[in-house]
Amino acid sequence: DVVLTQTPPTLSATIGQSVSISCRSSQSLLHSNGNTYLHWLLQRPGQSPQLLIYSVSRLESGVPNRFSGSGSGTDFTLKISGVEAEDLGVYYCVQGTHAPRTFGGGTKLELK
Amino acid sequence: QVQLKESGPGLVQPSQTLSLTCTVSGFSLTSNSVHWVRQPPGKGLEWVGAIWSGGSTDYNSALKSRLSISRDTSKSQVFLKMNSLQTEDTAIYFCTRFDNWGQGVMVTVSS
Repeated sequence: DVVLTQTPPTLSATIGQSVSISCRSSQSLLHSNGNTYLHWLLQRPGQSPQLLIYSVSRLESGVPNRFSGSGSGTDFTLKISGVEAEDLGVYYCVQGTHAPRTFGGGTKLELK
Repeated sequence: QVQLKESGPGLVQPSQTLSLTCTVSGFSLTSNSVHWVRQPPGKGLEWVGAIWSGGSTDYNSALKSRLSISRDTSKSQVFLKMNSLQTEDTAIYFCTRFDNWGQGVMVTVSS
């Protein structure tokens, strides 16, 4: 199975600060069809996860554009340009290129 | 409006079978896949399995021998059955399209 390693496991930020989360894969996530199925989710406390970014860099409808995704192959990054209070929670990367789907271990974003 | 809603027993005895239902609305099961994802208390997300638009299924390799996912397209429902439950199966179980998630159902395995 593909292993996704997220760093850091915990991130402390102040409101307005820009932060980045890394997701590294044990295998290339480039599918034979040319797409890369690496997505980012946010799970706020007590809530279900929600999709933020799909296919590396595509912003899900309704998600603020302070969120952005980048990367290719095995290295991917989620960036938040100016953290807001509603961004606190646990961020997960998930891959859909290889069966079975696998999740990263999560990065908890908290207020400093 | 796309919606998914899980239902099922909150408490299951060890060695028994878990049966969960995911009722969807706003989309067709014959055009979309539905996945089950679980989250043990205080831990991360684990993919359990999926049923694809054509009706085929894929399962987490560690759970495959105990797991079955099926659907009733006429009722817009997806079913999860997992047998031989153990305490480590205690978790919130979500059904999801990944762009939309159910609220989850907490399942506790305990005697």
